[in-house]
Amino acid sequence: EAGVAQSPRYKIIEKRQSVAFWCNPISGHATLYWYQQILGQGPKLLIQFQNNGVVDDSQLPKDRFSAERLKGVDSTLKIQPAKLEDSAVYLCASKRDSGTSANEQFFGPGTRLTVL
Amino acid sequence: QKEVEQDPGPLSVPEGAIVSLNCTYSNSAFQYFMWYRQYSRKGPELLMYTYSSGNKEDGRFTAQVDKSSKYISLFIRDSQPSDSATYLCAMRVSGTYKYIFGTGTRLKVLA
Repeated sequence: EAGVAQSPRYKIIEKRQSVAFWCNPISGHATLYWYQQILGQGPKLLIQFQNNGVVDDSQLPKDRFSAERLKGVDSTLKIQPAKLEDSAVYLCASKRDSGTSANEQFFGPGTRLTVL
Repeated sequence: QKEVEQDPGPLSVPEGAIVSLNCTYSNSAFQYFMWYRQYSRKGPELLMYTYSSGNKEDGRFTAQVDKSSKYISLFIRDSQPSDSATYLCAMRVSGTYKYIFGTGTRLKVLA
């Protein structure tokens, strides 16, 4: 079974530029998460999708961050414009919605963003 | 006060030692408790999860939950250099599939 795929792995941009990250979850996983992990901290939930609907985006800074999951499979997270404090690893995770492994999130390798 | 508190370490132990990692939490709505391991420049991977108070064992790993004290622990027996990683506790809010993570504890097992 292929894991969660993310691209790019690394991105360096200037502040006020825009950037987009892509995630392809494990096949059949209806729930998809985007997390922000700042150096030395744990992952912080940005947005949770179930299929192509948003379940929780209460911690997404909506003035600059947006995310979509068209067709309920791949997802894109965008930042526009980026700030210095957005430097972090952006992790995508997916999980099944039923069964004994419904609590298990599978994480991708993350995209490391540096904003200069 | 953060919902989940975890000592960031770093924690250095000799190979073969028993390691104890801990988290405290404040939200009584947390129902499921997980431990993740995260190697450098990788995503977290689930080690164990448990629902009820008590112990759950899996090989060299034991997860312990004390809901009355709002305290969870992960014990690693016979620690190996390959266990060197950051260990994250995570908790699921009851009635949702929303997870709150601790800050992670960096562990280094010295050969």
